Amino acid sequence: EIVLTQSPETLSLSPGETATLSCRAKHFVSSTYLAWYQQKPGQVPRLLIYGASIRATGIPDRFSGSGSGTDFTLTISGLEPEDFAMYYCQQHVRSLYTFGQGTKLEI
Amino acid sequence: EMQLVESGGGLIQPGGSLRLSCAVSGFSVTTHYLSWVRQAPGKGLEWVSLIDNGGAMFYADSVKGRATISRDTAKNTLYLEMNNLRVEDTALYYCTRVDNYYAFFHNWGQGALVTVSS
Repeated sequence: EIVLTQSPETLSLSPGETATLSCRAKHFVSSTYLAWYQQKPGQVPRLLIYGASIRATGIPDRFSGSGSGTDFTLTISGLEPEDFAMYYCQQHVRSLYTFGQGTKLEI
Repeated sequence: EMQLVESGGGLIQPGGSLRLSCAVSGFSVTTHYLSWVRQAPGKGLEWVSLIDNGGAMFYADSVKGRATISRDTAKNTLYLEMNNLRVEDTALYYCTRVDNYYAFFHNWGQGALVTVSS
């Protein structure tokens, strides 16, 4: 099982600042199979990024993904009030899937 | 429009069984990968099981041997059966459509709440 570790657990920032969220795997993860989600309280997770760096339909360009191998990053530039939420990374290998434990982005 | 609607949650005693259903519309259950993802109260997301378009089934270690994923093509419905339920199986269970190539969870239902408690 591939373990994904997200850091930090909580990130406290202000609107307008840039958030950098990390997702690290214990073993190699293909960039093709690395995704990021946003989840707000009481809501279904929303896909932000897939293929490590491809923005999903309708996602603002302030969201960007990067990384390869075992280290991946989600960057949110110019935080908007609606961006404060939980963020999860997710990977797939050999038809098994895992999520990171999440990063809470708070004001 | 692709829609997934879960049903079958409820309060179950430890050691009991459940059967969750996910009614799918807007696409066929045989042409896409479908999966169950759960979220315990106040916790993160946990992948549970997947059935691919060929019918192959895969499970997380936490439910392997206790869970069975299946689909009914006539009803265009996905199922998850679990037995020997534990308190730690308490969660909101989401039915999801998985992208066949990039392997991300593309569409989500609203979830079915399963509470395992005596």
